[in-house]
This record gives sequence, C-alpha cells and structure tokens, in this order.
Amino acid sequence: DGGITQSPKYLFRKEGQNVTLSCEQNLNHDAMYWYRQDPGQGLRLIYYSQIVNDFQKGDIAEGYSVSREKKESFPLTVTSAQKNPTAFYLCASSIDPTNTGELFFGEGSRLTVL
Amino acid sequence: AQSVAQPEDQVNVAEGNPLTVKCTYSVSGNPYLFWYVQYPNRGLQFLLKYITGDNLVKGSYGFEAEFNKSQTSFHLKKPSALVSDSALYFCAVRAYRDYGNNRLAFGKGNQVVVIP
Repeated sequence: DGGITQSPKYLFRKEGQNVTLSCEQNLNHDAMYWYRQDPGQGLRLIYYSQIVNDFQKGDIAEGYSVSREKKESFPLTVTSAQKNPTAFYLCASSIDPTNTGELFFGEGSRLTVL
Repeated sequence: AQSVAQPEDQVNVAEGNPLTVKCTYSVSGNPYLFWYVQYPNRGLQFLLKYITGDNLVKGSYGFEAEFNKSQTSFHLKKPSALVSDSALYFCAVRAYRDYGNNRLAFGKGNQVVVIP
C-alpha cells in the first residue's frame, strides 16, 4: 500500500542534541512538507520541497534543516538552535506543488526534549 | 497572506444530532478550501475540498461543507453525528493564484466531542 512513513513515532532528546526525523513516501509525489503541531495552534509549516534537490523555508524554519536528495525522502533535523522543540511533527506530500488536491500525511513523530 | 479562523475550541453534540464546525477564511482572490480530520496521535486525513463549482461539497464519512463567498465561510456539517466522529477538525485554505507550492494555511483546529 502506498503512503507516508514517519519514524520514530516517539523520540526523547536531551537539550543541546540534534535529532533527525525520517519521512519516506512511496506515492511518487513531487512535493513534500514538514509541519509542526502544538496544542491550540494548529499546524505551522517548517519547510517544503517541490522537487528533488530543492526546498524552501516555511513560516517557522529557524532551528530546523532539511534535505531532499531523493524523491521519496525528506528528513527533518531539529537542531540545538531550536529553542522549543517539544512538539508533534507531521510530514506530508502532494502529487505536485501546483495540484489542487489534498495533502497526504504521515502518522507523525512526537519529540520531547528532556 | 491567507489565514483561517475556527472560532470555537470545542464543539459538543449529542449522538444523532446535526454537527456543524465553523470556519472562516481570508485570502487574496478565489480560495481553495479543505477540511481535514485528526484522531489522537495520528496524522491528518483529508475529508473534502472546494475548488470551484457547486457551493455544497460532499466528502468522506457523510460530511459536507458549504462554501459561502459573501461570508467567506466554509462550515463543515454532518446531518447525524456518530461517537466515532469525535476528533480534531482542521480547516485549511490556499489562494487560487498561489501557484507553485500548494502552501496551505491551517486553522487551529476544533475538537469535536460526540456524546453518546
């Protein structure tokens, strides 16, 4: 079955450590996205990529980095520069960036900083 | 920039009663509008969308939404709520002319609680 796989589902990190969240899709979608979800704040866009080897900052990119070396993969690194990294992180994809269709979401990764 | 307002934090409804979740939007030009649902500790699932055409849009699981351009609203409705409809509902918008990135603005979400 096609879909988006995020791992790990739960992750604990000590302050000052970088962590990388994995996102893999087998939907053959061109566009991929990373969102952050905090209670009562909805979803905020961190980074997005319309095509391989290209990505753009979203609304809250500070303290995060991404890469898009392969079409199916869009990992997110939460760096030690991110001041409040505890959150639920969602990866999504869409067929192409100009498409009017829906986003397909992974199951999310919950990051807790100890 | 586009934005979405979902004015109610929580919507409580008795099972079998009609369910309405409100959404108003702000966007330059014509909007593309979406509703998503999220169950606890899960990703979002697409329910329905409005692109153009009929103002009443039908979607998954018996949900529908009505686009009202004059009121800039896109309220989600279900004629008879089920306990299994209890979840977090998100409205989202993008501008018709926002070519190139399908970048959506999401509302903060509405928690729906269906009481047996």
